[in-house]
Amino acid sequence: GQNIDQPTEMTATEGAIVQINCTYQTSGFNGLFWYQQHAGEAPTFLSYNVLDGLEEKGRFSSFLSRSKGYSYLLLKELQMKDSASYLCAVNQGGKLIFGQGTELSVKP
Amino acid sequence: ETGVTQTPRHLVMGMTNKKSLKCEQHLGHNAMYWYKQSAKKPLELMFVYSLEERVENNSVPSRFSPECPNSSHLFLHLHTLQPEDSALYLCASSPGRAIKPYNEQFFGPGTRLTVL
Repeated sequence: GQNIDQPTEMTATEGAIVQINCTYQTSGFNGLFWYQQHAGEAPTFLSYNVLDGLEEKGRFSSFLSRSKGYSYLLLKELQMKDSASYLCAVNQGGKLIFGQGTELSVKP
Repeated sequence: ETGVTQTPRHLVMGMTNKKSLKCEQHLGHNAMYWYKQSAKKPLELMFVYSLEERVENNSVPSRFSPECPNSSHLFLHLHTLQPEDSALYLCASSPGRAIKPYNEQFFGPGTRLTVL
């Protein structure tokens, strides 16, 4: 079956670093997406990994290990505006299978 | 501004009503999607259209009826809904044909539906 797990909630302090983990067990794999979703808004694309390793984009980085079925999103120099839900999604031939999302709260 | 718009943004309807949700994408994409997002649950894919042809129907009840008249517009017709259908309904589009390994999806802001 399909299973994508992420922590439900996380809290971190402004200026700190936080890592949001995602593990997956799916019948097919064509890459993994991370999306950010602020309350009441559309999910917006953050990153895409299809090969093992780290992809860095400004304050955000995403890592993938296909053999372990594992990814993480790393957020550095946290800002208050980073408070949002972070969605991990596995791409199966163009279809996205989503995890339940991790609600991140950034405190002053 | 994501290039994908949805109307209405909020909708309250009774179980006997008929209503429609509208999605429009201004990105020249070929594939469009409907998702359901309930509180504390993952986004659930409902329907996929590729070049105006339905390519995916994820066991969605018949009280939800999609329509894709052209590659820029997607509708979700609703009738005799149940209170458990209350959720955020998100539309998305992607550049290529829907069945393709890399296919970043661009989401609209969603319609918050409440069924009384």
